[in-house]
Amino acid sequence: NAGVTQTPKFQVLKTGQSMTLQCAQDMNHNSMYWYRQDPGMGLRLIYYSASEGTTDKGEVPNGYNVSRLNKREFSLRLESAAPSQTSVYFCASSTLRGGDTEAFFGQGTRLTVV
Amino acid sequence: GENVEQHPSTLSVQEGDSAVIKCTYSDSASNYFPWYKQELGKRPQLIIDIRSNVGEKKDQRIAVTLNKTAKHFSLHITETQPEDSAVYFCAASITRTALIFGKGTTLSVSS
Repeated sequence: NAGVTQTPKFQVLKTGQSMTLQCAQDMNHNSMYWYRQDPGMGLRLIYYSASEGTTDKGEVPNGYNVSRLNKREFSLRLESAAPSQTSVYFCASSTLRGGDTEAFFGQGTRLTVV
Repeated sequence: GENVEQHPSTLSVQEGDSAVIKCTYSDSASNYFPWYKQELGKRPQLIIDIRSNVGEKKDQRIAVTLNKTAKHFSLHITETQPEDSAVYFCAASITRTALIFGKGTTLSVSS
């Protein structure tokens, strides 16, 4: 049981380049999320998908797009990378357990934009 | 939208002491409050959570309390050990919506 898997683990981009971060979960969870983690800023929500076919903006969506390809996969795309998008990106998925939303995280993607 | 404030940002304790981390939230509709622990270079992992119809929950050395009226909740770690050193995040959510996290507390336990 792999849980939540993100690819790639590390990436260096030049300003203006585009890329897609991939995320897949094998826990049959309905909800999936993308967060970014910056020093002193905690985990900030970029986009989330409460169920297959739906996506919603989070706290910091500018410069990003997402696709919920199917129930398992949720990708994050940077169309034109900027140095301000240098961060660690975490994908997460969640299940409803007695009304709660326990989230399981992937191992993270460390992205550097130069 | 929901906003979660977390204090302190750093906390240093001696092994065996207790540690308390406090969070406040803004949306009175929030009903689920988890705490995550993140070790250096690792992913965040759930350590304890509490729902809005419960005032306190314990799991061995860890406890969480919730005051709905004041909209704050706290993490209590007793008999701290060096392996408790990590970054701790509180979060809040309304059922079926995304978790909103605080900015984290770096806990250092010295032996």
